[in-house]
Amino acid sequence: GAGVSQSPRYKVAKRGQDVALRCDPISGHVSLFWYQQALGQGPEFLTYFQNEAQLDKSGLPSDRFFAERPEGSVSTLKIQRTQQEDSAVYLCASSLDGNTEAFFGQGTRLTVV
Amino acid sequence: GDSVTQMEGPVTLSEEAFLTINCTYTATGYPSLFWYVQYPGEGLQLLLKATKADDKGSNKGFEATYRKETTSFHLEKGSVQVSDSAVYFCALRDSNYQLIWGAGTKLIIKP
Repeated sequence: GAGVSQSPRYKVAKRGQDVALRCDPISGHVSLFWYQQALGQGPEFLTYFQNEAQLDKSGLPSDRFFAERPEGSVSTLKIQRTQQEDSAVYLCASSLDGNTEAFFGQGTRLTVV
Repeated sequence: GDSVTQMEGPVTLSEEAFLTINCTYTATGYPSLFWYVQYPGEGLQLLLKATKADDKGSNKGFEATYRKETTSFHLEKGSVQVSDSAVYFCALRDSNYQLIWGAGTKLIIKP
């Protein structure tokens, strides 16, 4: 596709529900990043993939968060047993490699009620 | 750890005014510095970047100079337009691939 695509754009989840957020990176981009952006704040790093390998997951806030990119293209960020503090915009970005320009999707706004 | 501090918003200016948005950083290494812009309803877009000291990044009339001595990367534009209204983020990338972000500055330009 022309850019990074994320779905859904908006998600409302009841506390305790599991959610899955999808990211379609730009075709051919090796690197993929997930960031979490709380209201009024800058994004914070969650995890990084190079192809299908998850090279860094140091930013995942708890073991309820899990990300995968099984075929080195589409990635899914899964949050189990959602809590109110998980409410944020989840951003996906891709780049040709880890050191070139990162292109961002529009994000998924998650609201946990 | 590394961090980025940028001026709080909102910043409200009249059209054709001069813009400065301050950004300072702390980093242990020699980071690359970035300004991203987020227009309403859109994703983050790279506005400009600088990869070493004294480099000047520029795009769409915006400029920022990498000042190692003051650890700053202030964003400037000589004459802003209503279409520049957006949220601006300063960010750095140090020895690895992670971007470290400021909190963002909302810019409002009034006609």
